[in-house]
Amino acid sequence: QQQVKQSPQSLIVQKGGISIINCAYENTAFDYFPWYQQFPGKGPALLIAIRPDVSEKKEGRFTISFNKSAKQFSLHIMDSQPGDSATYFCAALSGGSYIPTFGRGTSLIVHP
Amino acid sequence: DGGITQSPKYLFRKEGQNVTLSCEQNLNHDAMYWYRQDPGQGLRLIYYSQIVNDFQKGDIAEGYSVSREKKESFPLTVTSAQKNPTAFYLCASSDRTGSHEQYFGPGTRLTVT
Repeated sequence: QQQVKQSPQSLIVQKGGISIINCAYENTAFDYFPWYQQFPGKGPALLIAIRPDVSEKKEGRFTISFNKSAKQFSLHIMDSQPGDSATYFCAALSGGSYIPTFGRGTSLIVHP
Repeated sequence: DGGITQSPKYLFRKEGQNVTLSCEQNLNHDAMYWYRQDPGQGLRLIYYSQIVNDFQKGDIAEGYSVSREKKESFPLTVTSAQKNPTAFYLCASSDRTGSHEQYFGPGTRLTVT
């Protein structure tokens, strides 16, 4: 049972474009939603995270949008760059657990 | 320089052999984890440990074993009972309080032929 559904599985964007990755969850107990970025052959690293008390969080070119009623959250990468080419994972955690439930990942390719 | 180290980066084994993957952290984290990554499958939890001398099975523990004798170390043994052991293995650690951020190691790519 996949508790966090991530889409699309792969995404190709031109340099300067906007990359959008979506995640949906079912467990209403989730209250922390991080995004991880993984470059080929490396381990994932935390990119940005949000709690459901805010609808949006922005860090540089990266923005998380959160829709609590729809149980959805998304990552927007503005002005996408070839260096953003990586696999992105969304995740969700509930207050009583520190073990994330990960989405299956999105492979992003940004063409120069 | 704090972080998580995994060794080796690449590992090759013959079918039927057990193999142990190393994971060490100097972040003073209580919790440590092992994940398996296959294309299109995301990160699947194999085992996790909250404190020394204690560990729990994750979603895909069959064919794997772990130990947690020291806070800094959480080795994973891939046994001959694991049907499809070829994969990219990631170790992670986290503080049990605060942000819940997971810190990942660089991974070990295991190939079994």
